Amino acid sequence: QVQLVESGGDVVQPGRSLRLSCAASGFTFDSYGMHWVRQAPGKGLEWVAVIWYNGSNKYYADSVKGRFTISRDNSKNTVYLEMNSLRAEDTAVYYCARGAVGGTPHYFDSWGQGILVTVSS
Amino acid sequence: SYELTQPPSVSVSPGQTARITCSGDALPKRFAYWYQQRPGQAPVMVIYKDTERPAGVPERFSGSISGTTVTLTISGVQAEDEADYYCQSADSSNTYVVFGGGTKLTVL
Repeated sequence: QVQLVESGGDVVQPGRSLRLSCAASGFTFDSYGMHWVRQAPGKGLEWVAVIWYNGSNKYYADSVKGRFTISRDNSKNTVYLEMNSLRAEDTAVYYCARGAVGGTPHYFDSWGQGILVTVSS
Repeated sequence: SYELTQPPSVSVSPGQTARITCSGDALPKRFAYWYQQRPGQAPVMVIYKDTERPAGVPERFSGSISGTTVTLTISGVQAEDEADYYCQSADSSNTYVVFGGGTKLTVL
C-alpha cells in the first residue's frame, strides 16, 4: 500500500535552514504530483508547496515563497522541502502528501504521519 | 487571496445528521475535497470531486454542491466521527491549494 515517511524535523533557531525528506513506496512515484502541507500547533491545515510528477512545475504558498524550495529525486522515490530563513511562524507539523497523477487537480489521497519542525531561539 | 469559509464547530447527537458547509467563490469551477482529522493523526480524505466517496469510507459520508457552497453530510453520526473536518479546493487559476479553516464536529 501507499506509504509516505517524513524525516528531517528538528528544533532550529530563527534564520537557520532545514531540509525535510519524504520517502515514498507502494506506488509509481514518478507518475504523481507531491505536496507539502503543514499544521501549526492547535491550528488548521496550510498548503505549502507542490511539485509536478517530473519536477517541471513547482508552486508555493505566499507565506513561504522565496524561502522554501520543493524538489524531488524520482530515482530515490523521495521528495524534499528545503526551508531557509526560518521564522517562528514556520513552527508546525509538516506532512508529505500524494497528489494527482501528473500534478492536477490538486488534492491529497495519501498522507505521511507528519514531522515536527520547531523554530525557536 | 482566495478563501474557503467553514463554521468553526458543529455539534450533533449520535444517530443524527451532521452537515458541514464550505463556501468559496471558485467552487462552481473547482472541485472540492473533504478530509477528516482525528486528534494526533494525519488527515484522511473522505470525499473527492465534490460528491465521490473513496473506497473504505463509510456510506454515511456524502458530499453535495449548490452554487458556491459545498456540504459534507454525515448521516447517522457515530462517536468515532468526532474529529476536525477540512474542505479543500484550488483557486480559479488552479495553481494554488486552499483549505477551509476547519470544523470541529462534536458528538454529544
